[in-house]
Amino acid sequence: GAVVSQHPSWVICKSGTSVKIECRSLDFQATTMFWYRQFPKQSLMLMATSNEGSKATYEQGVEKDKFLINHASLTLSTLTVTSAHPEDSSFYICSASVASGYSYNEQFFGPGTRLTVL
Amino acid sequence: DAKTTQPTSMDCAEGRAANLPCNHSTISGNEYVYWYRQIHSQGPQYIIHGLKNNETNEMASLIITEDRKSSTLILPHATLRDTAVYYCIGRSSGSARQLTFGSGTQLTVLP
Repeated sequence: GAVVSQHPSWVICKSGTSVKIECRSLDFQATTMFWYRQFPKQSLMLMATSNEGSKATYEQGVEKDKFLINHASLTLSTLTVTSAHPEDSSFYICSASVASGYSYNEQFFGPGTRLTVL
Repeated sequence: DAKTTQPTSMDCAEGRAANLPCNHSTISGNEYVYWYRQIHSQGPQYIIHGLKNNETNEMASLIITEDRKSSTLILPHATLRDTAVYYCIGRSSGSARQLTFGSGTQLTVLP
């Protein structure tokens, strides 16, 4: 099956620093990747949609200058949380949409990255 | 995407069948019913999806009512590892769009 990895799985950083999270599709090419955020005891909320080679589309209320997304290749998207603050502490999850060849499970999720900002 | 309604929580005894209901009365004709689950502190995992026929795979069965206004996910022999939040999502298939997650059902399998 299609596998999506995220790195790191968890990170602790100081307030004001920037953190980069990588999302990789390991055995397929993903034209579209999605970034979600999940606060404790809440559901996943879409932050942005990332298409390879073009600018990401952000959901309302998500600051594009704070959450920088780069989708430079068909297997890699990165999310950079700039000038992180404690309120950015959350579980960040990416998913990848298969470009072709699959008719069933169209989105595959990464294992998530737990960010804690001190 | 269709709005879905699920119970907040359910318990199930280990080894018994877990039946998770979902209402999607506004689902349109081209929208599939997808089920995902999320084990604590992990990414969501695809379970099954269907349009109008009942579906079965190695993980679960999906029963969709004839009017497509509701469905039931069945885990035939629940194990402790099936404890998770289960999400029912209505979505058009074949397009690269995001999944809209509701609050889901917290299933707790009891020993």
